[in-house]
Amino acid sequence: DAKTTQPNSMESNEEEPVHLPCNHSTISGTDYIHWYRQLPSQGPEYVIHGLTSNVNNRMASLAIAEDRKSSTLILHRATLRDAAVYYCILRDVTSGTYKYIFGTGTRLKVLA
Amino acid sequence: GAVVSQHPSWVICKSGTSVKIECRSLDFQATTMFWYRQFPKQSLMLMATSNEGSKATYEQGVEKDKFLINHASLTLSTLTVTSAHPEDSSFYICSAREDLNTEAFFGQGTRLTVV
Repeated sequence: DAKTTQPNSMESNEEEPVHLPCNHSTISGTDYIHWYRQLPSQGPEYVIHGLTSNVNNRMASLAIAEDRKSSTLILHRATLRDAAVYYCILRDVTSGTYKYIFGTGTRLKVLA
Repeated sequence: GAVVSQHPSWVICKSGTSVKIECRSLDFQATTMFWYRQFPKQSLMLMATSNEGSKATYEQGVEKDKFLINHASLTLSTLTVTSAHPEDSSFYICSAREDLNTEAFFGQGTRLTVV
């Protein structure tokens, strides 16, 4: 399973944009990049995913490097409710299992 | 997004007893369900993958006789922790997806405390 590397923690001020980085230098051509977030004592929540092109949805944007060895989750205006652990996960769609292996994630703290 | 529900949300049981946790996909049929365990301040650890009607595939180091997984229908999977001990106390989370090309959605988790 391809691995991801994320900073352990980050801080942001409320109402400001947040850029959460993820390195995945061993990514293969068929690996999708997924982002989930987990609030305390809850299950992970889907945020966004992509393969090669940048993606936008109502929650966030995903910027994928041209070589796909890194990606950045962008929260355009952080709110206190965005404080969570954010996980960057690679899913290999050719492995047959399509399972999600979680790394350590980034704990985002949002300051009021 | 799709809804995955776990029951119970929390449970306390005595050492040596068995506990069953249910995971239901409420608005879609889940061909695959995953079970994770999470200890405090740690990430999720995948325990097993189950496909409807098939035996679960367990990750290395996970005892299949201790953690019994049943995925008898397209909307229900159960995890039974047999002969639970205090070290089994953890946050158990299930995940379900409709097919290989759809996203996986997670339940809210079940906190198990073994006393």
